[in-house]
Amino acid sequence: NAGVMQNPRHLVRRRGQEARLRCSPMKGHSHVYWYRQLPEEGLKFMVYLQKENIIDESGMPKERFSAEFPKEGPSILRIQQVVRGDSAAYFCASSPPTGPSYEQYFGPGTRLTVT
Amino acid sequence: GQQVMQIPQYQHVQEGEDFTTYCNSSTTLSNIQWYKQRPGGHPVFLIQLVKSGEVKKQKRLTFQFGEAKKNSSLHITATQTTDVGTYFCLLRGGSNYKLTFGKGTLLTVNP
Repeated sequence: NAGVMQNPRHLVRRRGQEARLRCSPMKGHSHVYWYRQLPEEGLKFMVYLQKENIIDESGMPKERFSAEFPKEGPSILRIQQVVRGDSAAYFCASSPPTGPSYEQYFGPGTRLTVT
Repeated sequence: GQQVMQIPQYQHVQEGEDFTTYCNSSTTLSNIQWYKQRPGGHPVFLIQLVKSGEVKKQKRLTFQFGEAKKNSSLHITATQTTDVGTYFCLLRGGSNYKLTFGKGTLLTVNP
């Protein structure tokens, strides 16, 4: 059973470009979470999604950031018009359909660098 | 909103010494989870605590959940170099999906 997959692992974007980060949850998992981690800091919750639904996006910046988890395909975290401050590691995690009380399985992360 | 404090931020020990990290919440929790992240790696689930006063052990690791379900600790006995990494607590509030990670405790072990 493959683990959580994220791609790309490293992404370099110039200021003003768009960044698209993909996350494929573990097989059978229908809950996906996105987190951002700045260097030397902890993980900050961004958004929690189930298939075709955003359940909690309270940690997501109001502008430029969006997330989706379509019926088919991976979850996408999209950052428009990136700025230097968006440089960070973005982790996604998935958990089983039994709910968010269960452990989360993390992907390897996407390291975004904005130049 | 839910606030969490995790201490200490850093801990450097000699191999064989013990280590403890603490998480304190401003609100009562439904459960708490602990994760470990190796340098350059991703968080890996260690344990979940649900019941008031719960204590769980995994080899040299002991996890405790406070009686009031507002604090938790992770204790490592006789640290080894393989214990190096950052230990995070993940808190989930009582009635919503709000998830909050502690800032983590970075453990380094001198062989």
